[in-house]
Amino acid sequence: DVKVTQSSRYLVKRTGEKVFLECVQDMDHENMFWYRQDPGLGLRLIYFSYDVKMKEKGDIPEGYSVSREKKERFSLILESASTNQTSMYLCASSYATSGAYGGLFFGEGSRLTVL
Amino acid sequence: RKEVEQDPGPFNVPEGATVAFNCTYSNSASQSFFWYRQDCRKEPKLLMSVYSSGNEDGRFTAQLNRASQYISLLIRDSKLSDSATYLCVVNMWAGGFKTIFGAGTRLFVKA
Repeated sequence: DVKVTQSSRYLVKRTGEKVFLECVQDMDHENMFWYRQDPGLGLRLIYFSYDVKMKEKGDIPEGYSVSREKKERFSLILESASTNQTSMYLCASSYATSGAYGGLFFGEGSRLTVL
Repeated sequence: RKEVEQDPGPFNVPEGATVAFNCTYSNSASQSFFWYRQDCRKEPKLLMSVYSSGNEDGRFTAQLNRASQYISLLIRDSKLSDSATYLCVVNMWAGGFKTIFGAGTRLFVKA
């Protein structure tokens, strides 16, 4: 079974703090993604990466950055956390099929609260 | 218009019922299609891919109609454990590949 592991399930941070969310997958997937999920807004893509050291902005990249130094690891960074970044953050990975992304496999999520 | 639209929920059905969810997508360049299941406060989990020929996995049947840009999920003999939110997901080319999630349809199966 695919395993996508997120380093922290619950975090509480203060406004202005730097936050690192780590994600590791064990299936040698090329593609990795960071989403946030908020009630009423569904899943929104923050950033994705289709290869080591490659990154692409998603729909809501403002206030976030990412790092992919190794194929299995994709990190999300909040340089200066703000209260509107309180959310559930979900990492996902996938293989590529016929030029389109295959189904996504998600980690358990990191619930971040910014005070 | 949203790129992926699903039936509004929630659906409340008794155990043993058959329930169908529908999903439409707006971009004809969409390439691959999936149904996900998400339990309350948990991550989405891939339920099944959807193919033009239709595909079945136990009590679950998925259908894709490219001409009508329509996807469906049929659940037969509903179980209490089927209670969850079902997400329709479409991968499409839009200046780069994008994965678009529907808002989800909530299903409650009652004893």
